[in-house]
Amino acid sequence: SQTIHQWPATLVQPVGSPLSLECTVEGTSNPNLYWYRQAAGRGLQLLFYSIGIDQISSEVPQNLSASRPQDRQFILSSKKLLLSDSGFYLCAWSVRGTGGPLPGELFFGEGSRLTVL
Amino acid sequence: DAKTTQPNSMESNEEEPVHLPCNHSTISGTDYIHWYRQLPSQGPEYVIHGLTSNVNNRMASLAIAEDRKSSTLILHRATLRDAAVYYCILRDLDGFGNEKLTFGTGTRLTIIP
Repeated sequence: SQTIHQWPATLVQPVGSPLSLECTVEGTSNPNLYWYRQAAGRGLQLLFYSIGIDQISSEVPQNLSASRPQDRQFILSSKKLLLSDSGFYLCAWSVRGTGGPLPGELFFGEGSRLTVL
Repeated sequence: DAKTTQPNSMESNEEEPVHLPCNHSTISGTDYIHWYRQLPSQGPEYVIHGLTSNVNNRMASLAIAEDRKSSTLILHRATLRDAAVYYCILRDLDGFGNEKLTFGTGTRLTIIP
């Protein structure tokens, strides 16, 4: 069966410090991978999605970057955190789409709660 | 990108049916309608999806309007565990045919005991 793990679960960082959140998927190959962020009391915002190694699309301009060094590993990073980067970060995967009528159910990780002070 | 519109919040009594509406007037012919829900401090979980016909599964039913410009998620008998934020989403494709799901702010459903 497929599983998705992300860590750390909780992180408190000072403004200006770096960030690295990791996500790995097991039990599947060539998944689509996603990073979402949820600010307090708000909906989910799609940050990045990836269809393959080193193939990453950014949805919104921001202070964050994403990398996919391996097929089932997705990393969210920042060189210098801002207060506005605080939030609940969620990694997700879906079966690689063909562009056809496949709905692509999303499977989410447990989330990482980041507090920037 | 096609957008969805949902009420910010709804309340329902326990053990009664709940109808959660969603408008998607700019939906295209190939967009699937997805519903996810998010319990507090958890990632969203898939509920149901459909294209044109009404759909039923063990969690809920999805009623899709004939013109596909709106849909309704139906919880037949709400329990306290159904209290969550419910997201109505249209599957989107980028220019290369890759899928992405863009979540809105959803409907916060409160169940009254």
